[in-house]
Amino acid sequence: QPVVTQPPSASGTPGQRVTISCSGTSSNIGSRHVDWYQQVPGTAPKLLIYGNSQRPSGVPDRFSGSKSGTSASLAISGLQSEDEAVYYCATWENSLNGPVFGGGTKLTVL
Amino acid sequence: QVLLQESGPGLVKPSGTLSLTCSVSDDSIRNYYWSWIRQPPGKGLEWIGCIYYSGITKYNPSLKSRVTISVDTSKNQFSLRLTSVTAADTAVYYCARREESFDIWGLGTMVTVSS
Repeated sequence: QPVVTQPPSASGTPGQRVTISCSGTSSNIGSRHVDWYQQVPGTAPKLLIYGNSQRPSGVPDRFSGSKSGTSASLAISGLQSEDEAVYYCATWENSLNGPVFGGGTKLTVL
Repeated sequence: QVLLQESGPGLVKPSGTLSLTCSVSDDSIRNYYWSWIRQPPGKGLEWIGCIYYSGITKYNPSLKSRVTISVDTSKNQFSLRLTSVTAADTAVYYCARREESFDIWGLGTMVTVSS
């Protein structure tokens, strides 16, 4: 059972705004930054958001991240069919002294 | 842009040892932590461990007794060794560069544990 939890699925229609949540505790999200990864089926994960809200070069500004307390969120605006993927949050777990991933949220574009 | 490439056997027998190597395309191996991450079929991501070029390692406690990660800076490579494997170790294994996040990933290599 992951120490940070995500909803298993989310969906939206093209053009819509969707959010994916990531819930943790004071020993992970509450005291550490959160990253988000996008994994298109059959490919390696790709860094989407780092440091809670920063976008690497090349990531569209349709993707945004935020953190509050022991939870974080990924928002995708102007949803496109190419956004259909599994999204993972990740953070550092103090008790593990290492990084941990959420269980992943499969986003379906209807 | 640095590239990572995993290599190694795609099939390992139960109770055997899984050995993989990650080749880094330039000498930036001296500047970051380098990790192994795996993903069982249809499941999520699990961090296995990481290494710094100096040889400092960190391992996931759930795998620590079976894992060794090593680095060869002369070849710009780092390696994973996982002993006493079972079917539960069947997964796609990724190598990745870590600074504050996993910013660069290899394509991944599928390893199946089966007799």
